[in-house]
Amino acid sequence: DGGITQSPKYLFRKEGQNVTLSCEQNLNHDAMYWYRQDPGQGLRLIYYSQIVNDFQKGDIAEGYSVSREKKESFPLTVTSAQKNPTAFYLCASSLEGAYGYTFGSGTRLTVV
Amino acid sequence: DQQVKQNSPSLSVQEGRISILNCDYTNSMFDYFLWYKKYPAEGPTFLISISSIKDKNEDGRFTVFLNKSAKHLSLHIVPSQPGDSAVYFCAARHMNYGGSQGNLIFGKGTKLSVKP
Repeated sequence: DGGITQSPKYLFRKEGQNVTLSCEQNLNHDAMYWYRQDPGQGLRLIYYSQIVNDFQKGDIAEGYSVSREKKESFPLTVTSAQKNPTAFYLCASSLEGAYGYTFGSGTRLTVV
Repeated sequence: DQQVKQNSPSLSVQEGRISILNCDYTNSMFDYFLWYKKYPAEGPTFLISISSIKDKNEDGRFTVFLNKSAKHLSLHIVPSQPGDSAVYFCAARHMNYGGSQGNLIFGKGTKLSVKP
């Protein structure tokens, strides 16, 4: 079954620590995206990548980093520079030229 | 500057009645619009879409209407069911696909509650 997998589902991090969220897809999609959801804020774009070895900042990239070494994988690192990292993180993918995204099931990150 | 606006954070309707969720946009270069449905702690799932060359698209109980002159679209759910209770996101895509303009722009969502 093709799909997009995010892991882990829940993640706890101590202040000052970096943490990496995994996103893997086997849909053969070209583009991948990371969004953050906060209550009342909708979905805000962190980073996106339209092709392997290339990625672009979204609207709220500060404190985050990504890599796209393989077409299937787009991990997101939440660094200690991110001032308010507690949120629900969503990864998505799409075919080039496609009109919609396929989303993963999300990772809830909590800073303790 | 919000390009896609969902001005109602929440909506409550009775089971069997119609649910109408609204979305306004400001960019006349958007050419495709989508609705996503999201349950708590899950990723959004695609619900229905409409191209800017149409004014209506129907899929079972779900119908999306587009009024280009008013830059307004709406999602109608008839009849509403308790399982429809979720957050609904409106999204739009710029016609010049490529680069950042190809990314979907999402509204903040409307939480629909359908009461039995």
